[in-house]
Amino acid sequence: NAGVTQTPKFQVLKTGQSMTLQCAQDMNHNSMYWYRQDPGMGLRLIYYSASEGTTDKGEVPNGYNVSRLNKREFSLRLESAAPSQTSVYFCASSGPRTNYGYTFGSGTRLTVV
Amino acid sequence: AQSVAQPEDQVNVAEGNPLTVKCTYSVSGNPYLFWYVQYPNRGLQFLLKYITGDNLVKGSYGFEAEFNKSQTSFHLKKPSALVSDSALYFCAVRDRGNQGGKLIFGQGTELSVKP
Repeated sequence: NAGVTQTPKFQVLKTGQSMTLQCAQDMNHNSMYWYRQDPGMGLRLIYYSASEGTTDKGEVPNGYNVSRLNKREFSLRLESAAPSQTSVYFCASSGPRTNYGYTFGSGTRLTVV
Repeated sequence: AQSVAQPEDQVNVAEGNPLTVKCTYSVSGNPYLFWYVQYPNRGLQFLLKYITGDNLVKGSYGFEAEFNKSQTSFHLKKPSALVSDSALYFCAVRDRGNQGGKLIFGQGTELSVKP
């Protein structure tokens, strides 16, 4: 099925460890996004990539880096994880054919201890 | 700055009754507006969108939403609620002029439908 695939689904990290969250879409969408979801705060944009080769900061970029590896893939890296980064992370993609409505991945539940 | 407000953290409805989940927005130009639903431990699923045209938009699972430009609102409605509609609902807005198609999301409204 076409869609957005995120890996891993669950992860527990120790403070200071690093990890990369992977995201891939097969809908030929130009734009991709990383959000985090925290209780009572909705979804907050971390980084986005309007097109292949470009990335930009969102609302809460501190502590994160991203790479738009190609049109399909957009990864999110935590260089030195902190307990404040405990959250559920969602990747999404969009394109002009859907008037930029998003297709979301199933999420990564990250716990930093 | 763009923003979205969902004034109710939770909405409780009896099965069979009509439901409304409220959303107001603020953008500098004409908006694209969206509703998404999130079931427990799942990703967000698209429900419906307003781009242009008729102010009443129909979407998935019997939901509809009414765009009101003068009140800058885009409330989600359903004539007869089902227990299976219980979920977290997000309103989102995009300014047509913004780069990269970014959506701004509201904080979410938890809908609880009781039998």
